[in-house]
Amino acid sequence: GAGVSQSPSNKVTEKGKDVELRCDPISGHTALYWYRQSLGQGLEFLIYFQGNSAPDKSGLPSDRFSAERTGGSVSTLTIQRTQQEDSAVYLCASSLGLGTGYEQYFGPGTRLTVT
Amino acid sequence: SQQGEEDPQALSIQEGENATMNCSYKTSINNLQWYRQNSGRGLVHLILIRSNEREKHSGRLRVTLDTSKKSSSLLITASRAADTASYFCATDANGSSNTGKLIFGQGTTLQVKP
Repeated sequence: GAGVSQSPSNKVTEKGKDVELRCDPISGHTALYWYRQSLGQGLEFLIYFQGNSAPDKSGLPSDRFSAERTGGSVSTLTIQRTQQEDSAVYLCASSLGLGTGYEQYFGPGTRLTVT
Repeated sequence: SQQGEEDPQALSIQEGENATMNCSYKTSINNLQWYRQNSGRGLVHLILIRSNEREKHSGRLRVTLDTSKKSSSLLITASRAADTASYFCATDANGSSNTGKLIFGQGTTLQVKP
């Protein structure tokens, strides 16, 4: 079956603009995760969803970042007023259940460049 | 802060040789996972080992876990050029497995020369 898909694969935006990144998890996976990978910080956890709820938003770097998930499926990560330090690859993952005992399936990522 | 620290940061070997990568972590864990990443994009899950397990095998992969030393190792036997990638260990955050929040190490970049 289809894996996790993300769109766009690449996004170049000007500083100060808002961007939306989309993630389509594997069908039937209840848990969804967002991570960010950058040269300086490595792989950072951002947020997770169980169903439509996001119990822990503490990983989001600032209040410019928000995420939602609708219908227990597609998720969007929104970055408002982008800054150059937001440039990174944003990775989405999903798993059958919530917890680190489940394998996480990653999408190919969205490479965001803020100029 | 990073939970996992990997060693070495980079490894270059000849095809057919074995590759060993190590991961150390700071807090108690419930599960430890290893992932591979090609070309800086999506990660592929390799193996999961639980805190009550000491060793696990999957094909040419062998993972060990020593909770007393807070360390894990990934061994790839009979390496192939296609094994060239970055390898990451990932653990629970602060010993909690309930959230699925993974803390990744900085990774080991493996190059297998044909």
